[in-house]
Amino acid sequence: DAGVTQSPTHLIKTRGQQVTLRCSPKSGHDTVSWYQQALGQGPQFIFQYYEEEERQRGNFPDRFSGHQFPNYSSELNVNALLLGDSALYLCASSLGALVAYGYTFGSGTRLTVV
Amino acid sequence: GEDVEQSLFLSVREGDSSVINCTYTDSSSTYLYWYKQEPGAGLQLLTYIFSNMDMKQDQRLTVLLNKKDKHLSLRIADTQTGDSAIYFCAEKTNDYKLSFGAGTTVTVRA
Repeated sequence: DAGVTQSPTHLIKTRGQQVTLRCSPKSGHDTVSWYQQALGQGPQFIFQYYEEEERQRGNFPDRFSGHQFPNYSSELNVNALLLGDSALYLCASSLGALVAYGYTFGSGTRLTVV
Repeated sequence: GEDVEQSLFLSVREGDSSVINCTYTDSSSTYLYWYKQEPGAGLQLLTYIFSNMDMKQDQRLTVLLNKKDKHLSLRIADTQTGDSAIYFCAEKTNDYKLSFGAGTTVTVRA
């Protein structure tokens, strides 16, 4: 049973460019959340998608947007990349949102902006 | 608001017990979690505790929760080299997100 799958694993982009990161949730899960983990810090919540809609958003600018598809997979898009967007981007999935056992995380996409 | 704090580093001898501490500020926390992150990897859920519990034990792991002081701890018994990693404390309130601390880097020395 595959867990959460993220692609690509590593990415290098130039300032001002746009990037799309992809996530396939664990089988049976219908909710996807995205987190940004800067070097030496804990993950910060970006947003959560459920039933193809953004249910909650953290303190991130509109340059960060997302999408969830009917098969529950999700994309994270970041426009006009800044050097400060360099981070590990983690996708987490769950069945529903108010779950006791937490979320299953993928291994992340390491984004470097130069 | 939410704010989760952890000590940054812990060094422990192999075979000893490790204790990682965490404080949080949001009294509406419903669940509290401990995640483990190894180099180059994502987050692995180790254990969680509901806010109305004081203690939870799961094999080598013991979680203690002092809700009055908003203090959470994780004790790892018989610490092994494979326990070297970054450990994150996280809280969940009544919304949909997890709020994480900055992580405690645990180094196990022989």
